[in-house]
Amino acid sequence: SQQGEEDPQALSIQEGENATMNCSYKTSINNLQWYRQNSGRGLVHLILIRSNEREKHSGRLRVTLDTSKKSSSLLITASRAADTASYFCATDAYGQNFVFGPGTRLSVLP
Amino acid sequence: EAGVAQSPRYKIIEKRQSVAFWCNPISGHATLYWYQQILGQGPKLLIQFQNNGVVDDSQLPKDRFSAERLKGVDSTLKIQPAKLEDSAVYLCASSLPRGWVGQPQHFGDGTRLSIL
Repeated sequence: SQQGEEDPQALSIQEGENATMNCSYKTSINNLQWYRQNSGRGLVHLILIRSNEREKHSGRLRVTLDTSKKSSSLLITASRAADTASYFCATDAYGQNFVFGPGTRLSVLP
Repeated sequence: EAGVAQSPRYKIIEKRQSVAFWCNPISGHATLYWYQQILGQGPKLLIQFQNNGVVDDSQLPKDRFSAERLKGVDSTLKIQPAKLEDSAVYLCASSLPRGWVGQPQHFGDGTRLSIL
């Protein structure tokens, strides 16, 4: 069954605005990871947040994790045209394989 | 460090033909993954290796797909015979041993397979 589900499926914003994407999952996890994929390329790892962590930052990225709600969010601040890509969350649970969600397609308009 | 290398980048074959993909992971990465990504979807794990042993192949269609990782380094994924629904991008990823703390995966750019 699908573990991670991103929301929204697509998001279009202006350069300089913030972009927020959400991920919901169904079962307990060890950690949750966010990846970016540019068109025609492989996935690039952005942030890993462990189940005992609530928030992590990396540059313009901020990830939160709420294990009670089984949800995570990825915030990109001051977006740039180069942030245009698909963003995926992936859940990592002990004894289970990695499960990626269907992704959020972000378009940042100049 | 050099990234994950995959070849070929593109492959077009007719249904019922066979095809093979090659992956060279990042040096020192014991864990290797093969994913199938259908257009508009997230990657779906096909098989996971730890060194040259299979950890998880529960989603690999074993009647037509096979994979090996000889000597625990390079890996090949084969499809024989191919079906129309196999049209997808096949991604290879590698990481340090997964453990319980989790490790980020490093992806190659994939092989885009088109079945005619």
